[in-house]
Amino acid sequence: GESVGLHLPTLSVQEGDNSIINCAYSNSASDYFIWYKQESGKGPQFIIDIRSNMDKRQGQRVTVLLNKTVKHLSLQIAATQPGDSAVYFCAENTSSGGSYIPTFGRGTSLIVHP
Amino acid sequence: NAGVMQNPRHLVRRRGQEARLRCSPMKGHSHVYWYRQLPEEGLKFMVYLQKENIIDESGMPKERFSAEFPKEGPSILRIQQVVRGDSAAYFCASSPTQTAPEQYFGPGTRLTVT
Repeated sequence: GESVGLHLPTLSVQEGDNSIINCAYSNSASDYFIWYKQESGKGPQFIIDIRSNMDKRQGQRVTVLLNKTVKHLSLQIAATQPGDSAVYFCAENTSSGGSYIPTFGRGTSLIVHP
Repeated sequence: NAGVMQNPRHLVRRRGQEARLRCSPMKGHSHVYWYRQLPEEGLKFMVYLQKENIIDESGMPKERFSAEFPKEGPSILRIQQVVRGDSAAYFCASSPTQTAPEQYFGPGTRLTVT
């Protein structure tokens, strides 16, 4: 069936390095993608989104890249900080009857070493 | 401007008891989503509600689980006759409109069934 998955379950980086978290999706009908950050004991927090008619979007220290040809999504975090340590989820959204029900991947744990 | 609120934050129930989880959406939001998260897993969609209506319950188990979002008061996820497999974190999210894919999550309720 359709699924969203992440390539790496754990990513360890040094403070100041750039981090890249990848996500593969299989539903070609997905038209909206969101990255969420979840810190321990908390709910997911929106980071950045991208629509399927775009291939790149930048935020504050974060960039999301979308490659529809290979159905791949990535989140790039510049100058990673210890506060960035968390689990990162990508979610694909497909409009159904006018509403969006997201499908979440398993998550990648980002560990930032000071 | 309060975010999504959930209570209780932690709930312990014995097998066979009932669990009631409450969610108050962000002010002005009338769309509520419930998710379940097992340890080291992504979020699994359960149900999507608007005020007094269940829009999509495709992720809800057919038995023992029910959800409501009354005209007044919080949304409630109810689990009857809990079993150990119900132990998980349950997250609620809200959005302002049906077509807004971005969701705002609460801190979650961690249910432990003993």
